[in-house]
Amino acid sequence: DIVMNQSPDSLVVSLGERATINCRTSQSVLYSPNSKNYLAWYQQKPGHPPKLLIYWASTRESGVPDRFSGSGSGTDFTLTINSLQAEDVAVYYCQQYYDTPCSFGQGTKLEIK
Amino acid sequence: EVQLVESGGGLVQPGGSLRLSCTASGFTFNTYNMNWVRQAPGKGLECVSYIGTSSSTMYYADSVKGRFTISRDNAKNSLYLQMNSLRAEDTAVYYCARDRGYCRSTTCYGYYMDVWGKGTTVTVSS
Repeated sequence: DIVMNQSPDSLVVSLGERATINCRTSQSVLYSPNSKNYLAWYQQKPGHPPKLLIYWASTRESGVPDRFSGSGSGTDFTLTINSLQAEDVAVYYCQQYYDTPCSFGQGTKLEIK
Repeated sequence: EVQLVESGGGLVQPGGSLRLSCTASGFTFNTYNMNWVRQAPGKGLECVSYIGTSSSTMYYADSVKGRFTISRDNAKNSLYLQMNSLRAEDTAVYYCARDRGYCRSTTCYGYYMDVWGKGTTVTVSS
């Protein structure tokens, strides 16, 4: 099974600043035949289900603000949130869908300074 | 409106059984693979089980293999999770989630999850 590790576990960032969350997979999730990274990012606010933000490591889901972006390839990935807003306070998870069963990182809690 | 609504959660004793349901609306249910994902209190997300469009493909986490059974009824736009031999560590909020994967022939491939229900809570305790 693919093990996911996110860093940091928690993050405190000022309004308007940039937040960076990292995700490392225990094996590559890059599928060479189509050059796609099988990695997604989700946002979960307290008391709510997860919300899909990014898939294929860097494709933004429809309706997600463009201050959210994803990057990386192979085993190392990053979620970047530019111009942090108060409503971005949440726990963020990465998920691999290269292998079954799918697996999630442990989550990164983002708070406002 | 695209929607998933879970039901069937509750309090059950260790060793007991429970059947969760998820009713879909607002989209063509029989063209989507589906997942159950759970979240223990204060913890992260865990992929529990996955089923392809025609039920030809099913996957389970090792932690529930042999105890849980996923199924679907496309005529009723419904997804199910039969949970037997429940343990305290199965206590969690259980979400059903739509998958954007695809099927080729009889094999289905799970991708990311774009629509989630609000979840149903399962508590296993004596």
